Amino acid sequence: KAGVTQTPRYLIKTRGQQVTLSCSPISGHRSVSWYQQTPGQGLQFLFEYFSETQRNKGNFPGRFSGRQFSNSRSEMNVSTLELGDSALYLCASSRLAGVNEETQYFGPGTRLLVL
Amino acid sequence: DQQVKQNSPSLSVQEGRISILNCDYTNSMFDYFLWYKKYPAEGPTFLISISSIKDKNEDGRFTVFLNKSAKHLSLHIVPSQPGDSAVYFCAARPSGGSYIPTFGRGTSLIVHP
Repeated sequence: KAGVTQTPRYLIKTRGQQVTLSCSPISGHRSVSWYQQTPGQGLQFLFEYFSETQRNKGNFPGRFSGRQFSNSRSEMNVSTLELGDSALYLCASSRLAGVNEETQYFGPGTRLLVL
Repeated sequence: DQQVKQNSPSLSVQEGRISILNCDYTNSMFDYFLWYKKYPAEGPTFLISISSIKDKNEDGRFTVFLNKSAKHLSLHIVPSQPGDSAVYFCAARPSGGSYIPTFGRGTSLIVHP
């Protein structure tokens, strides 16, 4: 079974640009969550989608948005990029949402550098 | 304000010895705790979890201990192996509601041969 895939793996953008990152969950998984990891920080939750609906949203500005498609694939978009948006963006999928015992499987991440 | 703290950024251990990684939390609403391991250039991998109704959970070489009164949990790896060298993240989920995990900043474990 293929794991979670994220594209692209690396990205360089300049301030003010916008970026779209993609995540394909494990087959059969309907929940997709996004996290931001910056140097010295733990993973910070961005948002969670389940069956094309946003279930939860973290404490990030409105420049960060996402969506999920009917095949469970998800995209996140960051508009008007700032230097502080440079980070590793991780996607995680699970079969269900809102269940503690449900294991999240992470993709390798997209490393975004904003110049 | 960090609700999940891993106060040791790094830990160095000899192969075969025990590795103990610690994690403290402040939010009493957390009732489910997880440990993840992360290698460079890879996403985190789930290692082991524990519910607040337990004080210990064991899986092979990995054991997690939970002390609810102290709001403290620890991950024990026995015996440590060089392949265990990675960054370990502690995470906590609140009871009911969102189940959104809060992560610590991680502890880098190096196991020397």
